[in-house]
Amino acid sequence: GENVEQHPSTLSVQEGDSAVIKCTYSDSASNYFPWYKQELGKGPQLIIDIRSNVGEKKDQRIAVTLNKTAKHFSLHITETQPEDSAVYFCAARIRGGADGLTFGKGTHLIIQP
Amino acid sequence: GAVVSQHPSRVICKSGTSVKIECRSLDFQATTMFWYRQFPKKSLMLMATSNEGSKATYEQGVEKDKFLINHASLTLSTLTVTSAHPEDSSFYICSARARGETQYFGPGTRLLVL
Repeated sequence: GENVEQHPSTLSVQEGDSAVIKCTYSDSASNYFPWYKQELGKGPQLIIDIRSNVGEKKDQRIAVTLNKTAKHFSLHITETQPEDSAVYFCAARIRGGADGLTFGKGTHLIIQP
Repeated sequence: GAVVSQHPSRVICKSGTSVKIECRSLDFQATTMFWYRQFPKKSLMLMATSNEGSKATYEQGVEKDKFLINHASLTLSTLTVTSAHPEDSSFYICSARARGETQYFGPGTRLLVL
């Protein structure tokens, strides 16, 4: 089955700086890669996703890049703000498949004021 | 975006009793619903996948007789933890998916078994 590795487990950045979280996946058949943000005591919220027919997608301060050859994808948050502090999870699945998402272990992002 | 609700948000029960958690897609029809379990400071672990009107598919290591899943309609799935024990205490999260790829998550249910 699919295996998703996520790094780092904890990331502390100064407010206003950029944050980058990286994930790798094992199954070359995976072609859908969402990123979720989870605040304490709440369910995960989808923040951005990318499909394997594109290499990059951007939504305001958030961007995701995908390298299919290397089987890795990254989340980039620019101009970080205190409200960006949360746990971020990457995930992967095979489009059209019946399976649920396979999640990375999460990154605790801390924005230092 | 699509909204998924869960009820209750938290529940405390005695050991040996059963607890039912509801998951509803409020503004879309969910062809597939998923149940995840999350331990403190850990990732989400998929427990089972359910499609409306059919039996749930459980992940390896998840006891189907202990975690009963019913997907009665395109907007409702329930998870019943039967004969709950303290080790079942956890954060249970459902998610729902329509015909597209996007999976929307509920707010979670915190279960504490005494």
